[in-house]
Amino acid sequence: DSGVTQTPKHLITATGQRVTLRCSPRSGDLSVYWYQQSLDQGLQFLIQYYNGEERAKGNILERFSAQQFPDLHSELNLSSLELGDSALYFCASSGAAAAYNEQFFGPGTRLTVL
Amino acid sequence: GQSLEQPSEVTAVEGAIVQINCTYQTSGFYGLSWYQQHDGGAPTFLSYNGLDGLEETGRFSSFLSRSDSYGYLLLQELQMKDSASYFCAWVSGGGADGLTFGKGTHLIIQP
Repeated sequence: DSGVTQTPKHLITATGQRVTLRCSPRSGDLSVYWYQQSLDQGLQFLIQYYNGEERAKGNILERFSAQQFPDLHSELNLSSLELGDSALYFCASSGAAAAYNEQFFGPGTRLTVL
Repeated sequence: GQSLEQPSEVTAVEGAIVQINCTYQTSGFYGLSWYQQHDGGAPTFLSYNGLDGLEETGRFSSFLSRSDSYGYLLLQELQMKDSASYFCAWVSGGGADGLTFGKGTHLIIQP
């Protein structure tokens, strides 16, 4: 158990819909990262927040957005969902800002878009 | 372009040693991380090489050569539980950017 929690574990929705994935980092960790893992694209970095501020942006689509709240939990919002958005979404946390520090991954949310 | 290359699959025998290579082509390279992921599980951190040379952590070691744009993960005294996927990931931008992961190497351990 990494100490990072993600809800929900599974999510099934339809194309065109909007969903919100939630992540609670390890106690005391200020950095939260979001990743998408699919068979064809592999594990892709989406976005990082550090202490409430966006710090780094990866291959995140404009239909996707995220935020980190004062209590440091984070949410990833996915809108106008397409079939290709079906994937495993991981959240990771770290105590420091730089990505080379050990990141602790949550169990993931499996999103299925029908 | 920017790329990370690692073998898709490696097979080894229990108790043996295996090396998983990772070559990269990128600008702004800062360092190389390694993560392990069991089927159905989440990635877990193994090591980070910010400098050239070997980093050892128990049965696992990781190596980086910036001049060759090459790194590897060495697993010794292989155990069945080491069967998993192993990802190299490069860090760029002075650590200010996120991790860029390779496609992963599926390690199969045979008894």
